[in-house]
Amino acid sequence: GDSVTQKEGLVTLTEGLPVMLNCTYQTIYSNAFLFWYVHYLNESPRLLLKSSTDNKRTEHQGFHATLHKSSSSFHLQKSSAQLSDSALYYCARTPSGYNKLTFGKGTVLLVSP
Amino acid sequence: GALVYQYPRRTICKSGTSMRMECQAVGFQATSVAWYRQSPQKTFELIALSTVNSAIKYEQNFTQEKFPISHPNLSFSSMTVLNAYLEDRGLYLCGARDQTGRAEQFFGPGTRLTVL
Repeated sequence: GDSVTQKEGLVTLTEGLPVMLNCTYQTIYSNAFLFWYVHYLNESPRLLLKSSTDNKRTEHQGFHATLHKSSSSFHLQKSSAQLSDSALYYCARTPSGYNKLTFGKGTVLLVSP
Repeated sequence: GALVYQYPRRTICKSGTSMRMECQAVGFQATSVAWYRQSPQKTFELIALSTVNSAIKYEQNFTQEKFPISHPNLSFSSMTVLNAYLEDRGLYLCGARDQTGRAEQFFGPGTRLTVL
């Protein structure tokens, strides 16, 4: 079936260090969209990144990710963590043209001074 | 911009009673609305998907008899948790998608349900 795996439940970093949050997926669909959502406490989950074509990098607000179908991955990266990046990050996927999102368990990113 | 509001933000109900929650899309037409539940220590799980002019599709383990949904127009949806029990507690998210063909869903902040 379809699933999304975020192997880290918690990532702690010092400000200025690079960020990498892992996301892998399993799917029966040949085409699928992958997303990263950022969720701050008491706010709505907000779309951070959406996958493009295979092996193409997408960027937004300093974050970037590349869909690799060969490894079924869509890892989230940022070159330098900021304190304001501390939040809960969800990786999610949906089959092409469909509305159902399958979420990973989420990764809490804590950035300290 | 596209915004999704949910009401109430938090609610408490007694075991065995029912609770209705609402979802309002502003700034775009919510052609489809998905309702999710995040139970304690778990990720978001799709309850059902509602598309205007189509039947509501419930996921396995969720039924219309337990979670009736109304989606009367392109800006509003509601869902009721009937006969709520402890296992129904959690954060209920509404995700709405516009009709431009993009796969992006816009989420509300959720309704947090506590069952006593």
